[in-house]
Amino acid sequence: AQSVSQHNHHVILSEAASLELGCNYSYGGTVNLFWYVQYPGQHLQLLLKYFSGDPLVKGIKGFEAEFIKSKFSFNLRKPSVQWSDTAEYFCAVKGGGATNKLIFGTGTLLAVQP
Amino acid sequence: GAVVSQHPSRVICKSGTSVKIECRSLDFQATTMFWYRQFPKKSLMLMATSNEGSKATYEQGVEKDKFLINHASLTLSTLTVTSAHPEDSSFYICSATRARADTQYFGPGTRLTVL
Repeated sequence: AQSVSQHNHHVILSEAASLELGCNYSYGGTVNLFWYVQYPGQHLQLLLKYFSGDPLVKGIKGFEAEFIKSKFSFNLRKPSVQWSDTAEYFCAVKGGGATNKLIFGTGTLLAVQP
Repeated sequence: GAVVSQHPSRVICKSGTSVKIECRSLDFQATTMFWYRQFPKKSLMLMATSNEGSKATYEQGVEKDKFLINHASLTLSTLTVTSAHPEDSSFYICSATRARADTQYFGPGTRLTVL
């Protein structure tokens, strides 16, 4: 069965610090990978996604993620965080086939201190 | 584009009553809608997948007679929690896709509290 692991449950950073959130998945076939963000009191929004092609994916708000197939990883990065990046971040994977089901990681709560 | 709404945003009900939650795709036709449940400090757990005009596919462990899902049109899916109990209290989130391979767009969620 597919699964997604996010090892950092709670991250605290100061503004301008660099961010990297880990995401590992278990699935042997072709995958589509996503990072979603949930700002306080708001709904889940898509940050970026990887379907195929360049493994370095750029998303909104300066975020990027790198798909490393050999490591089954899809880590999220941002070179310089802002206070407004305080939110919960979810990694998700969709396996191949007809299904459109997403499997979510447990989420990482990021708090950026001004 | 790709806006999904949910109604109500929060509901409080008595134990034993039924509650209906609506999920609408406002600016696109959703061939597939998904219902999730989010527990505090935990991830989203997929409850069921519904395709317009057909029966929902429930995940293992989800009682289909308790969580009734109807996807009668390409813009509306409903989740009815029947005979709700306090353990059903949770945050219910829907999402929708335009086509099989499309990204899921999420609604804002519905906070259900069963007293």
